[in-house]
Amino acid sequence: EPEVTQTPSHQVTQMGQEVILRCVPISNHLYFYWYRQILGQKVEFLVSFYNNEISEKSEIFDDQFSVERPDGSNFTLKIRSTKLEDSAMYFCASSESDPPASTQYFGPGTRLTVL
Amino acid sequence: AQSVTQLGSHVSVSEGALVLLRCNYSSSVPPYLFWYVQYPNQGLQLLLKYTSAATLVKGINGFEAEFKKSETSFHLTKPSAHMSDAAEYFCAVRRGNTDKLIFGTGTRLQVFP
Repeated sequence: EPEVTQTPSHQVTQMGQEVILRCVPISNHLYFYWYRQILGQKVEFLVSFYNNEISEKSEIFDDQFSVERPDGSNFTLKIRSTKLEDSAMYFCASSESDPPASTQYFGPGTRLTVL
Repeated sequence: AQSVTQLGSHVSVSEGALVLLRCNYSSSVPPYLFWYVQYPNQGLQLLLKYTSAATLVKGINGFEAEFKKSETSFHLTKPSAHMSDAAEYFCAVRRGNTDKLIFGTGTRLQVFP
């Protein structure tokens, strides 16, 4: 069964460093998302991406964040200068068709630890 | 604004007992509702979703949920719990004009032998 994959599974970085989290969505999917879950808190929406541009973003997704689909398979989330509060589990998701009824399929997550 | 409330951060049941996980939503327009499950060290897996076709929705692993507009609820049930059902369960809502899923705080289900 096709699945969303994410690398790395765990990333440790120093505050102020740039990190890139990588995702490979399901191959025929057109809509891509990033969510995050700070330990003990809700899963929160960060951004959605369609047709090579951001279609929606939350207030969390400030100028320190960016997303890119550099080729036909990868979808990346970049944090330019990490802060301690960026420590969280980051989930990538993808869906095949138009929201809102379409199912978002989630990857296993990347645990980001900022020291 | 739309949101979901999951009552009970932890639920414990015996194997074979009924599972009932509660979710109430608030939405100014008819919502799309989802239940996801997260097993340890794994991502979120869709259990079932409500998209206004039928009020009783059947999902994977024997779970089902009933949409009750009058109660603004979408509770998740399973007649007989298995040990393998131990996981965290998330209710989520999405409005028709937005991409994002809004998640509840989650309910951790423990199943005792």
